[in-house]
Amino acid sequence: DAGVTQSPTHLIKTRGQQVTLRCSPKSGHDTVSWYQQALGQGPQFIFQYYEEEERQRGNFPDRFSGHQFPNYSSELNVNALLLGDSALYLCASSFRGKSEAFFGQGTRLTVV
Amino acid sequence: AQSVTQLGSHVSVSEGALVLLRCNYSSSVPPYLFWYVQYPNQGLQLLLKYTTGATLVKGINGFEAEFKKSETSFHLTKPSAHMSDAAEYFCAVSEWGGSNYKLTFGKGTLLTVNP
Repeated sequence: DAGVTQSPTHLIKTRGQQVTLRCSPKSGHDTVSWYQQALGQGPQFIFQYYEEEERQRGNFPDRFSGHQFPNYSSELNVNALLLGDSALYLCASSFRGKSEAFFGQGTRLTVV
Repeated sequence: AQSVTQLGSHVSVSEGALVLLRCNYSSSVPPYLFWYVQYPNQGLQLLLKYTTGATLVKGINGFEAEFKKSETSFHLTKPSAHMSDAAEYFCAVSEWGGSNYKLTFGKGTLLTVNP
């Protein structure tokens, strides 16, 4: 049983560019949450998708947007990248947002 | 709003010694509490969780934690540290809200285990 998978594992982008990160949830899960983990910090909640809609959002600007597809996979998009967006981006999946959250390995984004 | 404070950003113990990682939370409603472990360049792995019921929770790899409502604490312990326990540990709180279920994490505690 594949767990939560994220792609790519590493990414280098230039300031001002746009980036798309992808996440496939654990089999049987229908809810996807995204977190940003800056170096030396705990993960911070970005947003959560359930039934293809954004259900809850953390304190992140509109440059951060997402999407959930009918197969429950999800994308995180970040526009107009800033140096401060450099972080590990973690995807977590759960069943209807009510069960234990399983995390993927993350995507390490470096903005130069 | 919910929040988590982990006391001590770095804890160092000898192999075989007691591990104690401290976590205090703030929540306006009865919380769900979690401990996650993160190894270098890895995602988060759930160690244990408290939802309702028994306040002493046992997790994987010999870890356990006790929910103390009066102290708003959820400290993580392990009787005897092993070299493989060296990692970063995160305490997290969730306010049960149906499909609106999100985790608020502490800043983490780096555990080093000395031979």
